[in-house]
Parts: sequence; structure tokens; C-alpha cells
Amino acid sequence: GIQVEQSPPDLILQEGANSTLRCNFSDSVNNLQWFHQNPWGQLINLFYIPSGTKQNGRLSATTVATERYSLLYISSSQTTDSGVYFCAVERRNFGNEKLTFGTGTRLTIIP
Amino acid sequence: DTGVSQDPRHKITKRGQNVTFRCDPISEHNRLYWYRQTLGQGPEFLTYFQNEAQLEKSRLLSDRFSAERPKGSFSTLEIQRTEQGDSAMYLCASSLEGYSWYFGNGTRLTVT
Repeated sequence: GIQVEQSPPDLILQEGANSTLRCNFSDSVNNLQWFHQNPWGQLINLFYIPSGTKQNGRLSATTVATERYSLLYISSSQTTDSGVYFCAVERRNFGNEKLTFGTGTRLTIIP
Repeated sequence: DTGVSQDPRHKITKRGQNVTFRCDPISEHNRLYWYRQTLGQGPEFLTYFQNEAQLEKSRLLSDRFSAERPKGSFSTLEIQRTEQGDSAMYLCASSLEGYSWYFGNGTRLTVT
């Protein structure tokens, strides 16, 4: 099956700093999503981004499908950004319509 | 719309007992997914439905696990004869035709 690698595994930053999280995947994909899992376990959908660039407030994401990677940018970090960020991909073909998750990047924002 | 809801939030059970979890998806979503997450890991796929049809099951889903989605609305996940290794967070998600996915808060199962 498709492999998803995220880096770095852990990131500790001061409030106000910027960060870049990376997701590499091993095959072409039809679907790529970024999620934030907050300290209470809730998975929040941040972006549906199989290709191209999107922005939502302080967050933006870029997927370069031909090179099999995606980046999530967080600017002016706030303590509420803490949690685990997951990249998940889907290689849509018959019998394989599901997201495969990476192991995540744990982000800790220090006030 | 209140999003995806799961019930219960927490379940503690003794080994060997049966448990059932419920998921109510976003009303217009035709796809519903069950995942399992253990501490420090990403969610792992268990099964998914398109409307009422169960289209794929993971090899993680042993014979003790069964899922249903009657009438293409809510779904239930039942675990029979629970084992300590079943302790995990069980997550449900829904989507419209597989695009943006939305997860519920999960059901945390502890088997003692």
C-alpha cells in the first residue's frame, strides 16, 4: 500500500514563530488532506489539497503532486495550534477508496 | 448541521464482553468510515460504507468486529468478546463522494 512519511516528528516553538510541516508519499494520489488533532483527540479537517496551494488565515498548504510531497505552513503560531498534525492520502482505485494517514507531527507552542 | 457525532464518548468494559458504538454522519454525506487509533499512532482504516453498502474491510477487522449502516444513515460498530488489545480510540468520519472528510470526537474503549 501507499506509504506516508511526515517530518519532523516533533516540533517545539515559541508563540509567534512560523513553521513548515512536510508530508512525503510513495505513489500518485487523488486525495490529500491535512488534519489537526487537538489535545482532546478531535480531528479537524484543515485542507483538502490533492494539488496546488490553498490558504486559510494563518495556515496555508501546498501539494506538488508530481514530486509526491505536501507542505503545511503555520505562521504566527498560537498556543491553540498545539497538537498533532496528520497528512492523509488516498490513491483512488477500485477497492481502495480510503485515506492512509502518516504518523503525524506533534507541535507544541510555548507561550 | 452539528457535524459527525459518536456515542458513547468513553466505554470501559471487561474482557470478553460485547460492545457497540454508534456514529451519526453529516446528513448529506453518502460515505462513512471507521478508523481505530492507538496512542502515538495515526488512525488506521477499519471499514467504509457508501450509502448502506459496506465496500471495504481492513484485515485489521477480525471476525469479532462487525459494522452496519442500515438505510445509509447512522452506523454501528460492534466488537464481540473484547480483548485488551481492542483498547483504542474508535473514530468515525463521513464525506460526500470521498472529498473533504469530517471526523467525530471518537469513542475511547478501555478493556480491563
